[in-house]
Amino acid sequence: NAGVTQTPKFQVLKTGQSMTLQCAQDMNHEYMSWYRQDPGMGLRLIHYSVGAGITDQGEVPNGYNVSRSTTEDFPLRLLSAAPSQTSVYFCASSFPGLAGGYEQYFGPGTRLTVT
Amino acid sequence: GESVGLHLPTLSVQEGDNSIINCAYSNSASDYFIWYKQESGKGPQFIIDIRSNMDKRQGQRVTVLLNKTVKHLSLQIAATQPGDSAVYFCAETTGNQFYFGTGTSLTVIP
Repeated sequence: NAGVTQTPKFQVLKTGQSMTLQCAQDMNHEYMSWYRQDPGMGLRLIHYSVGAGITDQGEVPNGYNVSRSTTEDFPLRLLSAAPSQTSVYFCASSFPGLAGGYEQYFGPGTRLTVT
Repeated sequence: GESVGLHLPTLSVQEGDNSIINCAYSNSASDYFIWYKQESGKGPQFIIDIRSNMDKRQGQRVTVLLNKTVKHLSLQIAATQPGDSAVYFCAETTGNQFYFGTGTSLTVIP
């Protein structure tokens, strides 16, 4: 299994540009999520999905859109990039863990810079 | 909103010693807690989890302790090795949304 894959690894955008960060998993996980990681702030949830066709907002959803047309893919769209969106973005997928919770598997991340 | 914090931002330990990383959480309704390890340039990696109906859970060289009275979580790493050097995060959830702490950087001194 490839696990959770993300593309691209690095991206530089100009303010106002739009782009899509790709995320795919081959573990047949129902739950997928997007986080951003900023220095000193840990990971913050942007959007998540509990299954194909179902998405919901997380802690910091403004400026981002998601869709979940298949179990495998969960793309994150930046509608109009702003310097405040400069961050490292992680996608994760999950299945119920041994404790009855969600053991999340994270992708390698996309480092985005908005100038 | 949720507030998950760590008591110490950095921790240095001698190789072979035990490490203890602490975490405080503010939402008494949180029912599931996870510890993650993140190495430089990589995504977080699951270490161990615990439900709110448990006080302790052990894995391979790691133990998580949960004190719901004071809303405190700790990760104990036995016989710390150089490969354990990383940033460690705790996270909490009451459902589908996870809230992460800011992380503790663990450095193992050979």
